[in-house]
Amino acid sequence: SQQGEEDPQALSIQEGENATMNCSYKTSINNLQWYRQNSGRGLVHLILIRSNEREKHSGRLRVTLDTSKKSSSLLITASRAADTASYFCAQTTSYGKLTFGQGTILTVHP
Amino acid sequence: NAGVTQTPKFQVLKTGQSMTLQCAQDMNHEYMSWYRQDPGMGLRLIHYSVGAGITDQGEVPNGYNVSRSTTEDFPLRLLSAAPSQTSVYFCASSYGDRGPGANVLTFGAGSRLTVL
Repeated sequence: SQQGEEDPQALSIQEGENATMNCSYKTSINNLQWYRQNSGRGLVHLILIRSNEREKHSGRLRVTLDTSKKSSSLLITASRAADTASYFCAQTTSYGKLTFGQGTILTVHP
Repeated sequence: NAGVTQTPKFQVLKTGQSMTLQCAQDMNHEYMSWYRQDPGMGLRLIHYSVGAGITDQGEVPNGYNVSRSTTEDFPLRLLSAAPSQTSVYFCASSYGDRGPGANVLTFGAGSRLTVL
């Protein structure tokens, strides 16, 4: 079975609002990553957080990791219509091998 | 740099036919993998390779074969297509565990397969 679960499955917000997506996983990890997928396209890497890190920032993205709760969150601040996409968390459990969650569909209304 | 190139982009097969999805990368990545994406299921790992000549099974390997004769290429073969294999297939590659880009996957654009 898949490693991670994401919540919510779908999120609809207005431009300018913040979007928060959560990810839970089951086993120990080396690192956790977030990817974005625009409709009909391949996935694009957003950010990686290592198991010994608690928080990481990249532009308007903020990722947190709580290894004791086996969970992570992705915050997108000041959302734009162009942020509309599906977002996936992925856990690395062994040599380069990633296991993905089911994803959160984010819709940002202009 | 072309990155990860998948062909074909679209394919329709009849049940029982065979075909190969091609994947090539020009980044000298050690690690390559194939995922399938189905509605509500996220991405599931089919097969992966940590280097030329080395392959291993992922979460859903049944009905698929792979080989890795070169670092650049990682074809996925469907020997006898079934309707359950209707899906979007993604090839991805990375440097593996080492280097500044370790574990970060670069994805191809996907191949949409329909089996009738």
